[in-house]
Amino acid sequence: DTEVTQTPKHLVMGMTNKKSLKCEQHMGHRAMYWYKQKAKKPPELMFVYSYEKLSINESVPSRFSPECPNSSLLNLHLHALQPEDSALYLCASRKQGGNTEAFFGQGTRLTVV
Amino acid sequence: KQEVTQIPAALSVPEGENLVLNCSFTDSAIYNLQWFRQDPGKGLTSLLLIQSSQREQTSGRLNASLDKSSGRSTLYIAASQPGDSATYLCAVRLRVGKSTFGDGTTLTVKP
Repeated sequence: DTEVTQTPKHLVMGMTNKKSLKCEQHMGHRAMYWYKQKAKKPPELMFVYSYEKLSINESVPSRFSPECPNSSLLNLHLHALQPEDSALYLCASRKQGGNTEAFFGQGTRLTVV
Repeated sequence: KQEVTQIPAALSVPEGENLVLNCSFTDSAIYNLQWFRQDPGKGLTSLLLIQSSQREQTSGRLNASLDKSSGRSTLYIAASQPGDSATYLCAVRLRVGKSTFGDGTTLTVKP
């Protein structure tokens, strides 16, 4: 099983809403990632969790709040987003260590209205 | 800072043609390089991972090569099919830290 599952697939939210994106993997990977991807651009790294601890925060605005409740789950809590935050949000995981393959989920298409 | 460039940005070929996609990077101190495929609005599908000590990897009709000293990788697709139409991204992982993605090559294979 090399699957990373993201829910929901699509999300429309208002600027005053609070919502969460979820990511799950059962490959035993201890490094998990959130990326943001705008149309026709490569993915941009947002957060990295290593052994359930936040190891990299790429200066992401505080309206994005990550959480890693256990080794299989990764959440991204959203609050007071702006229309420019509309994008495809991708989750990825890999085994800990440098020479390992990254696996991506199918993404959540987020639209902020 | 690692910079990754993919050329060409777009490519259109007739079905059955063999083709090469290019990825170049500026910092040769890499852990590995990974090629992905992305269909419109979808996630990334891993195609091939080349470790820094390897020269090439093969999977089916795909062959990826790596020349660290010159900062280049190529993805060779044999006997292209319309189903190969997608955006192809390379990601270079440095020894310390994160991966850097190229902007991708959008491939269209015409029947």
